[in-house]
Amino acid sequence: DAGVTQSPTHLIKTRGQQVTLRCSPKSGHDTVSWYQQALGQGPQFIFQYYEEEERQRGNFPDRFSGHQFPNYSSELNVNALLLGDSALYLCASSFVNEQFFGPGTRLTVL
Amino acid sequence: GQQLNQSPQSMFIQEGEDVSMNCTSSSIFNTWLWYKQDPGEGPVLLIALYKAGELTSNGRLTAQFGITRKDSFLNISASIPSDVGIYFCAGRGNEKLTFGTGTRLTIIP
Repeated sequence: DAGVTQSPTHLIKTRGQQVTLRCSPKSGHDTVSWYQQALGQGPQFIFQYYEEEERQRGNFPDRFSGHQFPNYSSELNVNALLLGDSALYLCASSFVNEQFFGPGTRLTVL
Repeated sequence: GQQLNQSPQSMFIQEGEDVSMNCTSSSIFNTWLWYKQDPGEGPVLLIALYKAGELTSNGRLTAQFGITRKDSFLNISASIPSDVGIYFCAGRGNEKLTFGTGTRLTIIP
């Protein structure tokens, strides 16, 4: 049984560009949450998707948007990248109870 | 964004020693969770606590949900080399998780 998978593993972009990160949830999970983890900090909640709708959102600007597909997989899009967007982006999936995390995508903005 | 207060920030211990770390919040949570994160990996769930006062064990790990619902602690007994990593507490309210600042555990040979 595959756990949560994310792609790509690493990504390098320049300021002003746009990026799309992808997440496949653990089998049987229908809810996907996205977190940003800056170096040396704990993960910060970006938003959560359930039934293809954004259910909750953290304190992140509209440059951060997402989508959930009918197969429960999800994408995180970030527009107009800033240097401060450099971080590990974590996806977590759940079904009713606890969230299980993927390995993350390391985004570097130059 | 909000982060929970977790202490200590780092610990240097010898193999076989016991470890204790805690987490406090200004907000009440319905669930407290403890995760461990290794370099280049996502957090892995260690223990979940669902009721105030609850004490739960998972092998050498023991965690408690504070009676005020604003704190939690994690103990690791008889530490081994694979315990090295960063430990995060997280409080869950309204589905989203709020994480602590992390405790980095290093085992001195």
